[in-house]
Amino acid sequence: DGGITQSPKYLFRKEGQNVTLSCEQNLNHDAMYWYRQDPGQGLRLIYYSQIVNDFQKGDIAEGYSVSREKKESFPLTVTSAQKNPTAFYLCASSKDGQPQHFGDGTRLSIL
Amino acid sequence: EDKVVQSPLSLVVHEGDTVTLNCSYEVTNFRSLLWYKQEKKAPTFLFMLTSSGIEKKSGRLSSILDKKELFSILNITATQTGDSAIYLCAVHLRGTSYGKLTFGQGTILTVHP
Repeated sequence: DGGITQSPKYLFRKEGQNVTLSCEQNLNHDAMYWYRQDPGQGLRLIYYSQIVNDFQKGDIAEGYSVSREKKESFPLTVTSAQKNPTAFYLCASSKDGQPQHFGDGTRLSIL
Repeated sequence: EDKVVQSPLSLVVHEGDTVTLNCSYEVTNFRSLLWYKQEKKAPTFLFMLTSSGIEKKSGRLSSILDKKELFSILNITATQTGDSAIYLCAVHLRGTSYGKLTFGQGTILTVHP
């Protein structure tokens, strides 16, 4: 079945460490997105990409980086510059004019 | 700055009650408004609204959009414990081929037996 796969489900980061969250989709969607969800704050957009090798900053891009080398993949790196990384991270994808589909998320915590 | 505000932020009801969730927005380049349900992990799509006054319905859930007053409501009748979830409202903006979703804070609905 087509869908979006995020891994790992849980991730722990040490001080000063970069970590990478994986997002893969087999829906043949052109656009992909990364959101951060904190309690009581809904979803906030980190980065999005409309086509391969192109991406744009969202509302809270500082301390994060992405790449889009393949249509199916949009990994997110949480760098050591992100001082408050503990959150639930959701990846989504869409075709033009259609609702976004979401993965099951990765929960990131600080050790 | 684009803004989407949901109310109430949380709601506790008993099975069989009817609930109304609200979503107001102030955005430029409005394209559509979407409702999602999030139980534990991935938000799942409920409705997409683009035109004022046309109710969308799916079982016990229904939603309507008012583009003049800039709000939408999501109604759930005869609530069940399985309706307990976070309900997210998002606005889809024009401006790019795909646009972006701007989300509200979400409404946490708890339905007690």
